Amino acid sequence: DVKVTQSSRYLVKRTGEKVFLECVQDMDHENMFWYRQDPGLGLRLIYFSYDVKMKEKGDIPEGYSVSREKKERFSLILESASTNQTSMYLCASSPDRDQPQHFGDGTRLSIL
Amino acid sequence: GQNIDQPTEMTATEGAIVQINCTYQTSGFNGLFWYQQHAGEAPTFLSYNVLDGLEEKGRFSSFLSRSKGYSYLLLKELQMKDSASYLCAVRTYNTDKLIFGTGTRLQVFP
Repeated sequence: DVKVTQSSRYLVKRTGEKVFLECVQDMDHENMFWYRQDPGLGLRLIYFSYDVKMKEKGDIPEGYSVSREKKERFSLILESASTNQTSMYLCASSPDRDQPQHFGDGTRLSIL
Repeated sequence: GQNIDQPTEMTATEGAIVQINCTYQTSGFNGLFWYQQHAGEAPTFLSYNVLDGLEEKGRFSSFLSRSKGYSYLLLKELQMKDSASYLCAVRTYNTDKLIFGTGTRLQVFP
């Protein structure tokens, strides 16, 4: 079974802090994705990566950056956290673009 | 632009059949996924349609009509554990990303 692990289930941070959300997958998948999920808005793509050291902006990249130094790990960085970044963050991976994405359990992030 | 519509909420009775619809307007359509998400949990993959027709997988089936921009997920012999949100997601050629609908929250009652 594919395992996508996100480092924290719940996280509370303060406005202006730099926040790191970590995601690791154990199936040697090429592709990794970061989404946020908000009530009434569904899942929205923040950033994605099709290879190591490669990254592409999704639909809502503003205020975020990512890092993929190793194939199995994809990090989402909030450069200076703001209250409107309070959300559920979901990481996903897939072996290639035609295959379904497998999701982690999510990190519920609160910015105070 | 790109748009995906699903009903926000549906209710059904245990043992019944329910159909969850999804309509989409996209350019360069290249496949449609259905995911199930229980409250507080990760979305899990249910089905993938890229050609017109019905795909059956046990109690769940998914249908696609590309010409109508329409899909549905059919759940038979409903069980209480089927209470969850059902997410429709479309993949397009030009972006190769998944675009998700806002999800349909299904409640199954005894």
